Amino acid sequence: GAVVSQHPSWVICKSGTSVKIECRSLDFQATTMFWYRQFPKQSLMLMATSNEGSKATYEQGVEKDKFLINHASLTLSTLTVTSAHPEDSSFYICSAAYTGYYNSPLHFGNGTRLTVT
Amino acid sequence: QQQVKQSPQSLIVQKGGIPIINCAYENTAFDYFPWYQQFPGKGPALLIAIRPDVSEKKEGRFTISFNKSAKQFSLHIMDSQPGDSATYFCAARTNFGNEKLTFGTGTRLTIIP
Repeated sequence: GAVVSQHPSWVICKSGTSVKIECRSLDFQATTMFWYRQFPKQSLMLMATSNEGSKATYEQGVEKDKFLINHASLTLSTLTVTSAHPEDSSFYICSAAYTGYYNSPLHFGNGTRLTVT
Repeated sequence: QQQVKQSPQSLIVQKGGIPIINCAYENTAFDYFPWYQQFPGKGPALLIAIRPDVSEKKEGRFTISFNKSAKQFSLHIMDSQPGDSATYFCAARTNFGNEKLTFGTGTRLTIIP
């Protein structure tokens, strides 16, 4: 089955620094990638949608200057949390889909646990 | 606002029982309904998905029942095992070029031996 690889699986950083999270589709071309954030015992909250070669579309309330998304190729999207603060600590999950056919399934990475100290 | 309502929030079932998780949606433009299973510290994994032109779909021990007129769908897990203990999310989306999923709130399932 389709595999989405996310790296790193966990990261600890100091307040004020930036952190980059990578999301790769390993065996299919992902024209669309989605970035989610998940708080403990809660559902997934969509942060942004990124399409290869174009600017990401952010959900209402998500700061685009804080959460920089780049989708430079059909297999790689990155999320950079800039000037991270403790309230940015969360579980970030990417997902990828190939929109070339109807009902293409959405596959998720294993998430990145970000802790900002 | 597009919503998917999921219940129950948590569920405890004895091994071998059949847990049932229910979801209801409002947007009639939704035409793809997947279920995801998530273990602690992991990303969600696609379990099974259904389109509204069928009323039931089975894959192994997992069955989706779909009621288009009621705008409801449910997940049944046959012969449940302790290894099925996880959080389950229903979801829905349209296929109008934007494949954004709307997730339910999740059900924490515990299967006791």
